[in-house]
Amino acid sequence: NAGVTQTPKFQVLKTGQSMTLQCAQDMNHNSMYWYRQDPGMGLRLIYYSASEGTTDKGEVPNGYNVSRLNKREFSLRLESAAPSQTSVYFCASSEKMAGRQETQYFGPGTRLLVL
Amino acid sequence: AQSVTQLGSHVSVSEGALVLLRCNYSSSVPPYLFWYVQYPNQGLQLLLKYTSAATLVKGINGFEAEFKKSETSFHLTKPSAHMSDAAEYFCAVSDTGTASKLTFGTGTRLQVTL
Repeated sequence: NAGVTQTPKFQVLKTGQSMTLQCAQDMNHNSMYWYRQDPGMGLRLIYYSASEGTTDKGEVPNGYNVSRLNKREFSLRLESAAPSQTSVYFCASSEKMAGRQETQYFGPGTRLLVL
Repeated sequence: AQSVTQLGSHVSVSEGALVLLRCNYSSSVPPYLFWYVQYPNQGLQLLLKYTSAATLVKGINGFEAEFKKSETSFHLTKPSAHMSDAAEYFCAVSDTGTASKLTFGTGTRLQVTL
């Protein structure tokens, strides 16, 4: 199993450009998440999807949109990139099971630089 | 709202010395707590998690953490540091809703010196 995969690994954008970060998981998990990581701030939740067909805002959703394309895939879109969106983006997935606390599994990250 | 506080953004220990990374939480309900490790240029890997089954939790790579409700703490320890333990460590608390959203601390970078 590949676990959680993310593409691309690294991207440079100019201010105002758009792009989509892709995430896929092969663990048949229901829940998926997008986080951003900035120095000294830990990881902050951007959006999450509790199950296929649902999405909800996290702590820092402004400037982003998401699509839960199917159970495997959860994409993050920047419509008009800004320098403040320079960050490392992590996708994660988890599965809620009766009587067990779910664990989130993380992808390797996408490093985004907005000039 | 749930939150975690990690004391010390950088910790330096000698190889073979005790590792102690501090985490305090704030939660209105019994929390689920996690420690993740991030090696340079990699994603996050679960070290251990507390789910109320036992207050002393053992994880991978010789790490363990003790849940202390009276102190609202979940500190991470390892008796003897190894050079390979150099990484950034994150404490996190989980939401207990439909999707278990994680709230992370700001992280502690562990340096191990000879």
